[in-house]
Amino acid sequence: AQSVAQPEDQVNVAEGNPLTVKCTYSVSGNPYLFWYVQYPNRGLQFLLKYITGDNLVKGSYGFEAEFNKSQTSFHLKKPSALVSDSALYFCAVRDLNSGGYQKVTFGTGTKLQVIP
Amino acid sequence: DTEVTQTPKHLVMGMTNKKSLKCEQHMGHRAMYWYKQKAKKPPELMFVYSYEKLSINESVPSRFSPECPNSSLLNLHLHALQPEDSALYLCASSQDYGGTSYEQYFGPGTRLTVT
Repeated sequence: AQSVAQPEDQVNVAEGNPLTVKCTYSVSGNPYLFWYVQYPNRGLQFLLKYITGDNLVKGSYGFEAEFNKSQTSFHLKKPSALVSDSALYFCAVRDLNSGGYQKVTFGTGTKLQVIP
Repeated sequence: DTEVTQTPKHLVMGMTNKKSLKCEQHMGHRAMYWYKQKAKKPPELMFVYSYEKLSINESVPSRFSPECPNSSLLNLHLHALQPEDSALYLCASSQDYGGTSYEQYFGPGTRLTVT
């Protein structure tokens, strides 16, 4: 089965510093990868996706992600963190289940805390 | 308009009650989803509707009954729930179910408490 792993439950970063939220994937075939963000008591918001093409994907709110096939990683990055970036971040992979239908499988989530 | 709306925002119900959660989108999306999310956990897929037909039921107990009256609306009917069903229920939609434009747009959720 397709899966993603987020090795860090929480990431702390100082405001203005670059941030990285890690995600590794395990898929058979070409991966379709996503990042979503969830603010407290809200639904998830789509940030960016990798389908094919350039390994560096740019998304919303200044976020970008780097697809690395050799390391099977899809880390989320931002050059300069804002306090307002503090939220829960989910990596996700499009999953092809045994029934032939496709669904999205989410990672366990990483809480990002940006410290003023 | 990239908004998915959900009502109500909060719901408290007893174990013998019947209630419904509602979800609406006007983006022309043909796939709609129900997720259940416990605190600090990832969303768990419950149901998927594609072109108004139920495509996936993730072995959800029958006390949860989905309905898709039309391409813009999705309901989740609740009956005889258990306290462990208390969670944030999220609705989402996507342009389609099998294509590459697969990102999902989520509503704000309904916070359900079963007493």
